[in-house]
Amino acid sequence: EIVMTQSPATLSVSPGERATLSCRASQSVSSNLAWYQQKPGQAPRLLIYGASTRATGIPARFSGSGSGTEFTLTISSLQSEDFAVYYCQQYNNWPVTFGGGTKVEIK
Amino acid sequence: EVQLLESGGGLVQPGGSLRLSCAASGFTFSSYAMSWVRQAPGKGLEWVSAISGSGGSTYYADSVKGRFTISRDNSKNTLYLQMNSLRAEDTAVYYCAKDPGMTPYWYFDLWGRGTLVTVSS
Repeated sequence: EIVMTQSPATLSVSPGERATLSCRASQSVSSNLAWYQQKPGQAPRLLIYGASTRATGIPARFSGSGSGTEFTLTISSLQSEDFAVYYCQQYNNWPVTFGGGTKVEIK
Repeated sequence: EVQLLESGGGLVQPGGSLRLSCAASGFTFSSYAMSWVRQAPGKGLEWVSAISGSGGSTYYADSVKGRFTISRDNSKNTLYLQMNSLRAEDTAVYYCAKDPGMTPYWYFDLWGRGTLVTVSS
């Protein structure tokens, strides 16, 4: 199965700053990559699919890029509600697999 | 309101069984594939099982194949996960998740809040 590796494990960012999260696949997943946000005690929420398409209702400050094995989620100006754990997921190969997550915390 | 609501979790002994349910509302349930995804305490997400919108196709992770059975009742807008021969490593929050397509696209655009399954003696 494809192993998804996210970095860093924890990212400390001040409100208003840019956050850049990375996700690497152990083999090419084309553009079949999704990003999710999860807050404590809550369900994950789909942010991005197809590596760069924002899901319905997701603010424009969230953007995704990349293809093949290297992907990036960028939050252009962090808001208080953006501090959470972010997961990437590949759906190019079965079984689908998730990364270990990046926790974005307040600096 | 579009939502998924899981139920049926709890404490069960190793080797025991449990059936999870997921009630869907606010969308045409039968038009979408559904999955179960779990999260062990303090860990990441692991896909467990999926079923097509019609219920005619099912899929399982190797870790649960032969022990778990996914099903759905489209007349009741409800997804199920029958879990048998439970092991300590099955301890997790189990999420019900909606796929964007009738046959799986394999990413998830709506999730429930989850139900906790604890396997312990």
